[in-house]
Order: sequence, then structure tokens, then C-alpha cells
Amino acid sequence: DVKVTQSSRYLVKRTGEKVFLECVQDMDHENMFWYRQDPGLGLRLIYFSYDVKMKEKGDIPEGYSVSREKKERFSLILESASTNQTSMYLCASTEASSYEQYFGPGTRLTVT
Amino acid sequence: RKEVEQDPGPFNVPEGATVAFNCTYSNSASQSFFWYRQDCRKEPKLLMSVYSSGNEDGRFTAQLNRASQYISLLIRDSKLSDSATYLCVVRRSSYKLIFGSGTRLLVRP
Repeated sequence: DVKVTQSSRYLVKRTGEKVFLECVQDMDHENMFWYRQDPGLGLRLIYFSYDVKMKEKGDIPEGYSVSREKKERFSLILESASTNQTSMYLCASTEASSYEQYFGPGTRLTVT
Repeated sequence: RKEVEQDPGPFNVPEGATVAFNCTYSNSASQSFFWYRQDCRKEPKLLMSVYSSGNEDGRFTAQLNRASQYISLLIRDSKLSDSATYLCVVRRSSYKLIFGSGTRLLVRP
């Protein structure tokens, strides 16, 4: 079974703090993704990575950066958290030749 | 206008009912289509892919109409365990999936 894990289920941070969200997958998948999910807006792609040290911006990259130093780990960084970044953050991974994305359990981030 | 549009529901149906959801997409160059299921407070999981000829998986039938740019999901003989949010998903390019905001289904005893 594919397993995607995220470092925290719930996180509360203050405005201006630097926030790290970690994602690890155990299936040697090439592609990894970070989404945020908000009511009425669905899942929106923030960044994705198709290889170690490779990344591409998704639809809403502003205010976020990512890091992929190892194949199994993809980190999302909020350089200076703001209240409009309060959301559910979901990480996903997939094989290079597949479109089925496997999701982690999500991190609910609240920025106060 | 959203690239993938779904009726948010909720659809409230009795056990055993047949229920259908539709989804429309705006980009005619979209390449692949899927339905994902998301249980309350859980992550999305792939339910089924949608093929041009239509496809069935047990009680679930998915259809694609490229000319009208819509996708449908039919659930027959609804079970309580079918209660979830169903996400319509369109592949825009090699890596990018576009998710609809979901249709919520409640199956009551």
C-alpha cells in the first residue's frame, strides 16, 4: 500500500512566522504535489516536483516555496505566514507514468 | 468561471436509490477525467477513471461527453457507506490535475 505521511494533522501559527510542512512518501514516486483545500474552491495546486531538486509553480504559488532534497520528501514553506493562508494543506504523490495521485491525511493550518 | 464546475449538493437520498452527479469542464483540451471520493475529514482517493466509451465498476458508472464537455457519475443501489464528497477531476497537462469543489452525497437509512 502506498503511504503518504504529513508531519502534523493540526498546526497553529502566528502571523509572520515561518512555517514548514513536511511530506514523505514510501513508494519511490517521482512526482509530488502540494495543494490547499478551501470550502467552495476545491483543491488548488500550489507547487509540484517531478524529480529531486526540480519544482514547478502551480496555480497559487504566491507566498509559498518548496524544497525537495530527497526523492521521498517534499516540503512546503510559508516564509511569513498570513491569515489568508489558513487552510487544509494536502500533499500527494504519483508515479511518473500514472495519473492516480495518492494523498496524505492533510495538515489543517490555522494562522492567527 | 471555474475550470471544473460541480453542483455542491448535498444530495440526500434513501438507501437503495440511484443518484447521478454531473460535472462540466471548460477547457476543451483536457485530456483525462476522473472521479475521486473524499470522506469527511479524510484525504481524496481515486474512485474511477472516466473513459470516452463510458465505464462501469460495480454499482458505479462513469460517462464522458466531450462534445458537451461534461462528465457524469451514476451510483446504483446506494449504500450508507457511499456518503461522501465526490470530486470531479480533469487532467490539464502531464502533471496537473484540476479538481472540482465536490458534490456532497448523504445516503440515509
